[in-house]
Amino acid sequence: KNEVEQSPQNLTAQEGEFITINCSYSVGISALHWLQQHPGGGIVSLFMLSSGKKKHGRLIATINIQEKHSSLHITASHPRDSAVYICAVGANFGNEKLTFGTGTRLTIIP
Amino acid sequence: ETGVTQSPTHLIKTRGQQVTLRCSSQSGHNTVSWYQQALGQGPQFIFQYYREEENGRGNFPPRFSGLQFPNYSSELNVNALELDDSALYLCASSVDRTMNTEAFFGQGTRLTVV
Repeated sequence: KNEVEQSPQNLTAQEGEFITINCSYSVGISALHWLQQHPGGGIVSLFMLSSGKKKHGRLIATINIQEKHSSLHITASHPRDSAVYICAVGANFGNEKLTFGTGTRLTIIP
Repeated sequence: ETGVTQSPTHLIKTRGQQVTLRCSSQSGHNTVSWYQQALGQGPQFIFQYYREEENGRGNFPPRFSGLQFPNYSSELNVNALELDDSALYLCASSVDRTMNTEAFFGQGTRLTVV
């Protein structure tokens, strides 16, 4: 079992739909990162959070430390949101690395 | 634009050869981490450098080695390339060697070993 699990693996939705991507982890963490990866490879950091909720534009990230679960929400989805969304955690021991989920491939259809 | 630049963007090498990948971090970012991402997988931690010293290593053999320089640039060297080394190699820089601060990723170097 991976330390970081994401669901769903693939998600296709119509433009305008509300999107939720989930991340569960099994280790104690110091921080959780949500990242976006477009075709071609480059990764962009969307959020880093260790508690509560953060919002940036149409993106919202929440985390429940007790349940070891985080969600990334996209409101009013747009085709340009199509990308792979990756959850990564920094463990609270041996803090030198991020452990990544395998990603959720999101496709927004116009 | 993350301020982290990797070169080259694409590279084709032959099995058994050696390769050097480069990463230029943001000024003031004293920590750089390298990751290997196989097709369809999440990135896997190779190692981290903090103030020019290795500060943690993942499950990769010694033929994967690195260097970090005072000018915030770094290198990943891979000797005796194998076909399974074909992957996207990502570097990420941050101001803190823990993962409690934002990590800034480069665009990656796609290495193909034939």
